[in-house]
Amino acid sequence: DAGVTQSPTHLIKTRGQHVTLRCSPISGHKSVSWYQQVLGQGPQFIFQYYEKEERGRGNFPDRFSARQFPNYSSELNVNALLLGDSALYLCASSLGQHQPQHFGDGTRLSIL
Amino acid sequence: AQSVTQLDSQVPVFEEAPVELRCNYSSSVSVYLFWYVQYPNQGLQLLLKYLSGSTLVESINGFEAEFNKSQTSFHLRKPSVHISDTAEYFCAVSDSGGGADGLTFGKGTHLIIQP
Repeated sequence: DAGVTQSPTHLIKTRGQHVTLRCSPISGHKSVSWYQQVLGQGPQFIFQYYEKEERGRGNFPDRFSARQFPNYSSELNVNALLLGDSALYLCASSLGQHQPQHFGDGTRLSIL
Repeated sequence: AQSVTQLDSQVPVFEEAPVELRCNYSSSVSVYLFWYVQYPNQGLQLLLKYLSGSTLVESINGFEAEFNKSQTSFHLRKPSVHISDTAEYFCAVSDSGGGADGLTFGKGTHLIIQP
């Protein structure tokens, strides 16, 4: 079975631009979460979606938004990119809200 | 609010020696606890989890961790490490209650296996 898939794998943007990152969960998983991992740090929680509704939000500015589609895939959008947004963005899926999360390989976003 | 402290940023150990990676957490509610492993340029892989029941949990590749509620710890151990265990290890906690605040991770411990 396919694991969590994320696209693209790498992305280079400039300050002020916006970006959309995509995630397909493991088949049958209804919950998707997004994390930001800055180099040398542990991942930080951004959003959790379950059954297409936002169920949790971390301490990130409103420039960050996300949504979940009827097929449970998800998009993370970031507007007005800053240099500090450079990071590995990880998507994780789980069967339910409080089930163990399974991670994709991430999208590495570089802001110039 | 929850927090996770991984006391060692880096742990060097010789091949076939035992290792312990330390993790302490703080939370005002009941928690679920996890260890994840991250190899270079990859995402995180679930190594083992404590949800309920036995406080000693084991993975298929020889790692084990023990939940100690009184010491708020979830240390990871392996009796004999292999070169392939070289990776970054993250301890994480999740609120087992009704909240949906995702996983809270520690800063990670880099396990370096020396031949």
